[in-house]
Amino acid sequence: AQRVTQPEKLLSVFKGAPVELKCNYSYSGSPELFWYVQYSRQRLQLLLRHISRESIKGFTADLNKGETSFHLKKPFAQEEDSAMYYCALSGGSQGNLIFGKGTKLSVKP
Amino acid sequence: DAGITQSPRYKITETGRQVTLMCHQTWSHSYMFWYRQDLGHGLRLIYYSAAADITDKGEVPDGYVVSRSKTENFPLTLESATRSQTSVYFCASRLTGGLDTQYFGPGTRLTVL
Repeated sequence: AQRVTQPEKLLSVFKGAPVELKCNYSYSGSPELFWYVQYSRQRLQLLLRHISRESIKGFTADLNKGETSFHLKKPFAQEEDSAMYYCALSGGSQGNLIFGKGTKLSVKP
Repeated sequence: DAGITQSPRYKITETGRQVTLMCHQTWSHSYMFWYRQDLGHGLRLIYYSAAADITDKGEVPDGYVVSRSKTENFPLTLESATRSQTSVYFCASRLTGGLDTQYFGPGTRLTVL
């Protein structure tokens, strides 16, 4: 079954510390993976996608097919990074995204 | 992102009433989706549509009805609202399936008393 697991509901770090938000997936084919971010009471917006291999707002994510992971990393967290982060998998015939339950990142001053 | 809008943004209703949430997109995207967002559950797909007049159930369709007579609109109707349907509802659209970016509306916060 297709599934996305984000093991941490809440991650709290201090400003300037490195941050890693974990994402593991289960999918039988070649996955397309995304990270979405939702700032307080705002809509979800795409942060990055693995096929782009780009860095957005200092965040990067590498697809590790051996470990079936797509962890999101940033070397130096900023207070404005505080938000809800969702890992998502595109793999169904429905064309929809399968989301993890999300990780709330809190960056303390 | 302003190309996908939802109305109303906030709604309070009573158990048993019918409620319709509207979603409108201006990009002529083929795919449209309705999700509900709940603490501890993340985002769950209610219904989706691959094109006008083509809709199908997602993960949690019970108690909801959708239609898509025009490409740009995808209303979601709660036929007889229940308290368990209190949630934040997000509409989303996507040009096609697969690799295209999925864009989300601003959400509708629905409270069922």
